[in-house]
Amino acid sequence: ETGVTQTPRHLVMGMTNKKSLKCEQHLGHNAMYWYKQSAKKPLELMFVYNFKEQTENNSVPSRFSPECPNSSHLFLHLHTLQPEDSALYLCASSQDGQGGSGELFFGEGSRLTVL
Amino acid sequence: GQNIDQPTEMTATEGAIVQINCTYQTSGFNGLFWYQQHAGEAPTFLSYNVLDGLEEKGRFSSFLSRSKGYSYLLLKELQMKDSASYLCAVLDSNYQLIWGAGTKLIIKP
Repeated sequence: ETGVTQTPRHLVMGMTNKKSLKCEQHLGHNAMYWYKQSAKKPLELMFVYNFKEQTENNSVPSRFSPECPNSSHLFLHLHTLQPEDSALYLCASSQDGQGGSGELFFGEGSRLTVL
Repeated sequence: GQNIDQPTEMTATEGAIVQINCTYQTSGFNGLFWYQQHAGEAPTFLSYNVLDGLEEKGRFSSFLSRSKGYSYLLLKELQMKDSASYLCAVLDSNYQLIWGAGTKLIIKP
């Protein structure tokens, strides 16, 4: 398998549920990212990991908790979410971390609906 | 604040040419990216400009003017498969990517 894969593709959860999004990259890249994409809004960077170390946390609420066990895998743990958290969550990777000018490779996203 | 502006939606005809504009106000500049995103799919890289001028890549070209804070993506010989959203993003002085909200391009037969 190649590229960046995300699971699940669709997720519906209640406000009291706990769920996780998974991302895996098969490109040998050193940096991985979580973005939030809402309709008609710019992509919002949530978290960045360089060589498994978190280097960016853009004031994301604590109900979103990232985990990067190795340079190929990235998780986003979700708990007690709000309806306004409903969005497409995109994972991306790049050869260089933040500070490089390389392109991002995105997964197809996990469409999250919070009821 | 930092800002990227691009039209929300554009419509064009199959076989024609369309130009999608992007203007930016950022703290510093280290390059500008264009990405294409089909509905329900991952954004994919189209182009990267860091110097002024036109970069051509097949039917797609990207132009940059740093002095004007302006870029455009030019799509020629439009095909139905070009219907997608086109995202403009600027790398600022801290190498943070600043994104526009995207332009939805609708191609009609």
